[in-house]
Amino acid sequence: DAGVIQSPRHEVTEMGQEVTLRCKPISGHDYLFWYRQTMMRGLELLIYFNNNVPIDDSGMPEDRFSAKMPNASFSTLKIQPSEPRDSAVYFCASSYRAGQGGYTFGSGTRLTVV
Amino acid sequence: QKEVEQDPGPLSVPEGAIVSLNCTYSNSAFQYFMWYRQYSRKGPELLMYTYSSGNKEDGRFTAQVDKSSKYISLFIRDSQPSDSATYLCAMRKIGNQFYFGTGTSLTVIP
Repeated sequence: DAGVIQSPRHEVTEMGQEVTLRCKPISGHDYLFWYRQTMMRGLELLIYFNNNVPIDDSGMPEDRFSAKMPNASFSTLKIQPSEPRDSAVYFCASSYRAGQGGYTFGSGTRLTVV
Repeated sequence: QKEVEQDPGPLSVPEGAIVSLNCTYSNSAFQYFMWYRQYSRKGPELLMYTYSSGNKEDGRFTAQVDKSSKYISLFIRDSQPSDSATYLCAMRKIGNQFYFGTGTSLTVIP
């Protein structure tokens, strides 16, 4: 298996633009998580899905953030409009059965909003 | 108070030293404990996963859980420069998401 695949690896955008981050989880995993990592706050859970259904989005910072999982093999995290404080590394992770055996993380998307 | 506390370091040791990394937690409902290693500009990768109190060993790595003290540790024996990374602890309650520490940065000097 290729692992969790995220795209793009790097994204630089101007304030106010829409940004879409993409994730392909490991086949057979039924949980998908979106995290944001910064030096100040570490890893923060934004939202997670079980069987494509959003379960907990309490970590989504504002209405500017939205996430979808239209099928078991694809998820997106969208920021509209983007702001400089959104600059961070965004990770997608997937797991089987709520994390038995741990999560598998993607390589992340480094987002810079200027 | 955060649910999981981890000293951010940085920690710098000579090659061959024994490294001790620690996390404390406040919620006694946590049942599963993990350690992740994260190299610069990479995603975290799972190192150790444990459920019960006591020790679990895997090569040069030993994970220790003390539920009575709400304290977990990761020991690295014969540390190598390739062990230089950030180490994150994580834990969860049954049927729930994982909570991560903020990570400890480790440098092993040749």
